[in-house]
Amino acid sequence: EIVLTQSPGTLSLSPGERATLSCRASQSVSSSYLAWYQQKPGQAPRLLIYGASSRATGIPDRFSGSGSGTDFTLTISRLEPEDFAVYYCQQYALFGQGTKLEIK
Amino acid sequence: QVQLVQSGAEVKKPGASVKVSCKASGYTFTSYGISWVRQAPGQGLEWMGWISAYNGNTNYAQKLQGRVTMTTDTSTSTAYMELRSLRSDDTAVYYCARWNEVVAAIFDYWGQGTLVTVSS
Repeated sequence: EIVLTQSPGTLSLSPGERATLSCRASQSVSSSYLAWYQQKPGQAPRLLIYGASSRATGIPDRFSGSGSGTDFTLTISRLEPEDFAVYYCQQYALFGQGTKLEIK
Repeated sequence: QVQLVQSGAEVKKPGASVKVSCKASGYTFTSYGISWVRQAPGQGLEWMGWISAYNGNTNYAQKLQGRVTMTTDTSTSTAYMELRSLRSDDTAVYYCARWNEVVAAIFDYWGQGTLVTVSS
């Protein structure tokens, strides 16, 4: 059974900084089926990235995804105040445990 | 625009059942599946299962087999999730999400969530 492990658990950064979030799979997965979601308190998750690197409709270009095999990365180039949230990676029915991005 | 609108919050006693609805609009309902995902308080996302809105085929998470049933009503573009024999650890926000395999096996639109509280 594949496990998706996200790191770090919590990332403390300031607006304007660059954020790098990691998602590691316990065995190689197809990059075509790796997605990232953002969830803010009290809200449903929102699709950000699919196919490891394609932005969903309406997602700003400061969000980018990369990776292949077992290692995938979500990068936010310059943090805006509204970007502080929890981020999940997903592959089919599996979710990572999430990374909380908090304001430093 | 695609919308998934879920039914309201529920409070149930242990051992009872709950049925949550998810009404879809803005797309051809039978062209996509619906998945259900739950989130316990302060926890991550847990996939519960999937139903094809085209033919009613289902795939449930192993840990919920026997307690969960997902159905659809194509005449009203509504999906339903029923969970039986409720326990306190079923307390969670339950989300429906459109399952898009055409693009890349993603949950591309989500309902607003339904809080189910199980308490005696």
